Amino acid sequence: RKEVEQDPGPFNVPEGATVAFNCTYSNSASQSFFWYRQDCRKEPKLLMSVYSSGNEDGRFTAQLNRASQYISLLIRDSKLSDSATYLCVVNIPYDKVIFGPGTSLSVIP
Amino acid sequence: DAGITQSPRYKITETGRQVTLMCHQTWSHSYMFWYRQDLGHGLRLIYYSAAADITDKGEVPDGYVVSRSKTENFPLTLESATRSQTSVYFCASSDSLAPSTDTQYFGPGTRLTVL
Repeated sequence: RKEVEQDPGPFNVPEGATVAFNCTYSNSASQSFFWYRQDCRKEPKLLMSVYSSGNEDGRFTAQLNRASQYISLLIRDSKLSDSATYLCVVNIPYDKVIFGPGTSLSVIP
Repeated sequence: DAGITQSPRYKITETGRQVTLMCHQTWSHSYMFWYRQDLGHGLRLIYYSAAADITDKGEVPDGYVVSRSKTENFPLTLESATRSQTSVYFCASSDSLAPSTDTQYFGPGTRLTVL
């Protein structure tokens, strides 16, 4: 089993739709989790950290399920500008991070 | 606010040649990283550095050499390029003492093609 797995997609959704991505991780000792966004042919940029209690930033909600070892990202009211690849990042003890392969999202007019 | 820059942005070279990719950051971040990104593999760590003169191997270090004589620079050298090293290379930095728990800031990437 890979250390971090994501459904590669692509997810094609209409504007205004709600879409959710999951990411599973294999190391039960992982403590830090992030979602990064990567636009086509650009560098990854931090979208949000994922906290144990879950967190929300505008239209974006991230959640952590430690028991099942997955994190999720929910995007509400999708915009065309949300089209990108979303990378799940999980820390591996000690002091390393693993990037998932990414999930591609296309928001369609 | 230059942030983190990489050069060259695009490079075509031939098998067996030595190639050096440059990375420069203006934030004085302690940690710097080199990743390669290939379709289906995501970002894989090649080498990282916790401070000047301190470097360590990542997941895929074979065929690469790094140095960090100054905090702001972290060059990556392919000693004898192979076609399997065709990839997009990203440099990143972090100002955290525990970078695995904090944000990494990425450079714009270098697209390397080895013929």
